[in-house]
Amino acid sequence: GAVVSQHPSRVICKSGTSVKIECRSLDFQATTMFWYRQFPKQSLMLMATSNEGSKATYEQGVEKDKFLINHASLTLSTLTVTSAHPEDSSFYICSASEGVKLFFGSGTQLSVL
Amino acid sequence: DAKTTQPPSMDCAEGRAANLPCNHSTISGNEYVYWYRQIHSQGPQYIIHGLKNNETNEMASLIITEDRKSSTLILPHATLRDTAVYYCIVRVSGGSNYKLTFGKGTLLTVNP
Repeated sequence: GAVVSQHPSRVICKSGTSVKIECRSLDFQATTMFWYRQFPKQSLMLMATSNEGSKATYEQGVEKDKFLINHASLTLSTLTVTSAHPEDSSFYICSASEGVKLFFGSGTQLSVL
Repeated sequence: DAKTTQPPSMDCAEGRAANLPCNHSTISGNEYVYWYRQIHSQGPQYIIHGLKNNETNEMASLIITEDRKSSTLILPHATLRDTAVYYCIVRVSGGSNYKLTFGKGTLLTVNP
């Protein structure tokens, strides 16, 4: 299947700093990518839909100024968690469509101290 | 996306078939049934999808009832590595901007 690469896999940062997570489609082009967040023992929650060359669409309750999404090319989307706080600690996962299937990155575990 | 209902957990003996049920009674005519699984601390993995016909690939088989209100994912010979949370999702297909909405899934535990 198609490969979606996500980096870094794990990051620890201090409260108040910003963290950038990259999501790349390695062998296909993705006009649309999705960003999810998952808290321990819970299901994945969609945060936003990232559209190449245009603004992201955020789900209700997700702060667009806090979770900055950039989809500058057909193979790269980035999520920046700005001014991170301990409550932002979570598992962040990106995904991209290749045909009718959605493929997922391996996830980024963010821990904010 | 239509809502799906799955049992929270199931157990299966290694080497036996695992049959995971899913109810999607409000599915629309243009919605497909997708199955994904998530092994602990990893991103979800695509397994299979279908519209109304039964489907089979190297990982699993998908059986969809004639009225499309329910389906069953079958892992023919479960191994310990199949222990994961399995998600049944209905989604409009045919476009790249149709999101997947995850429910709580079924935790399948394969026992030795």
